[in-house]
Amino acid sequence: GAVVSQHPSWVICKSGTSVKIECRSLDFQATTMFWYRQFPKQSLMLMATSNEGSKATYEQGVEKDKFLINHASLTLSTLTVTSAHPEDSSFYICSASRSRGQETQYFGPGTRLLVL
Amino acid sequence: SQQGEEDPQALSIQEGENATMNCSYKTSINNLQWYRQNSGRGLVHLILIRSNEREKHSGRLRVTLDTSKKSSSLLITASRAADTASYFCATALQGGSEKLVFGKGTKLTVNP
Repeated sequence: GAVVSQHPSWVICKSGTSVKIECRSLDFQATTMFWYRQFPKQSLMLMATSNEGSKATYEQGVEKDKFLINHASLTLSTLTVTSAHPEDSSFYICSASRSRGQETQYFGPGTRLLVL
Repeated sequence: SQQGEEDPQALSIQEGENATMNCSYKTSINNLQWYRQNSGRGLVHLILIRSNEREKHSGRLRVTLDTSKKSSSLLITASRAADTASYFCATALQGGSEKLVFGKGTKLTVNP
């Protein structure tokens, strides 16, 4: 159990367009989902924490108007990169925890975004 | 800023050998976790060790935690080519936060 999926797995878009990435917990309800960004050969940087039904909490330096997060249900969170630019190209990974305070996070397979 | 720093950054060994990776962190923690990432993929949780634990085993994995030195090590015994991946430590900070702070990772290559 504890499978998390992401869609799409990769996307190429033109500069200025918006891209939506979905994160789903397939076999459990996720009270909390996390969005990370990973540059090549680097570590994961937490962008925001998303709780179902409430506004996401963004990490310092992450523009909330650029990276829109919606956690509308206990199994789905979306990240929308608005007006994407080449510097937004990265690997975006979501994770989910089963319950508030649960220590282990279950990660999705990631979405590779390339902005031309 | 990143909490964990892994050492070494890259490690190349032969199948059957043991691999040891180290992680240091800066602030007090609730627990420390190790994750594995295959190239271009998501992360897989390997093992969690709490701040009041000193050692934990899971199959071929052995994790130690020294809170006085703010360091942890991950030992993979009898390595296999399939163990080739990047390994990250992640710390859950004291205070009950669900957030994990990841280190930079160690890229392990196991040669057949």
